[in-house]
Amino acid sequence: EAGVTQFPSHSVIEKGQTVTLRCDPISGHDNLYWYRRVMGKEIKFLLHFVKESKQDESGMPNNRFLAERTGGTYSTLKVQPAELEDSGVYFCASSPILAGVHNEQFFGPGTRLTVL
Amino acid sequence: GNSVTQMEGPVTLSEEAFLTINCTYTATGYPSLFWYVQYPGEGLQLLLKATKADDKGSNKGFEATYRKETTSFHLEKGSVQVSDSAVYFCALTPGTGGTSYGKLTFGQGTILTVHP
Repeated sequence: EAGVTQFPSHSVIEKGQTVTLRCDPISGHDNLYWYRRVMGKEIKFLLHFVKESKQDESGMPNNRFLAERTGGTYSTLKVQPAELEDSGVYFCASSPILAGVHNEQFFGPGTRLTVL
Repeated sequence: GNSVTQMEGPVTLSEEAFLTINCTYTATGYPSLFWYVQYPGEGLQLLLKATKADDKGSNKGFEATYRKETTSFHLEKGSVQVSDSAVYFCALTPGTGGTSYGKLTFGQGTILTVHP
């Protein structure tokens, strides 16, 4: 079974440009999460999809960030325009919906974003 | 809000040494607690978990006990190997509720390097 995949693995862009990150969750996982780790600090939650619906987007830093999950499969996270402080590693995770079970979240390898 | 505090690293040990990485948390209710590990070039993997007070999670020789009285979930291993070199993250979710489980709150991560 394929794991969570993320594309690209690295992205280097100039301040003011646009970048789109993609996450393909494990097939059948309705929960999809985005997290970010900035400058060796803690990993912080960005948002949570259940299928195509945003369940919780309380961690999105500002309106320069737009996440979508059309059709409830893969998800994209667009940063427009990118700022220097957006640099970091963006992780995606997925999990199934199973009532009454503490679901493990399966993580992708992350996308390292550098904004110059 | 919820928070997780890990001992600061990096931690450098010789092979077969004893490992402890401290983790304390702040949360309302009864969170579930996790240790995730990130090996070089890979995504985060669940190492172990505990879902209620006094539970002990264990995997690959690592152990951690959920201590509600001290709000702690310290990671231990009796004899580390070079292959244990990685970044270790303590994390929590807010406990049960509904059919999908929400965001993970992470500590800042501890880099472990084990020398032969």
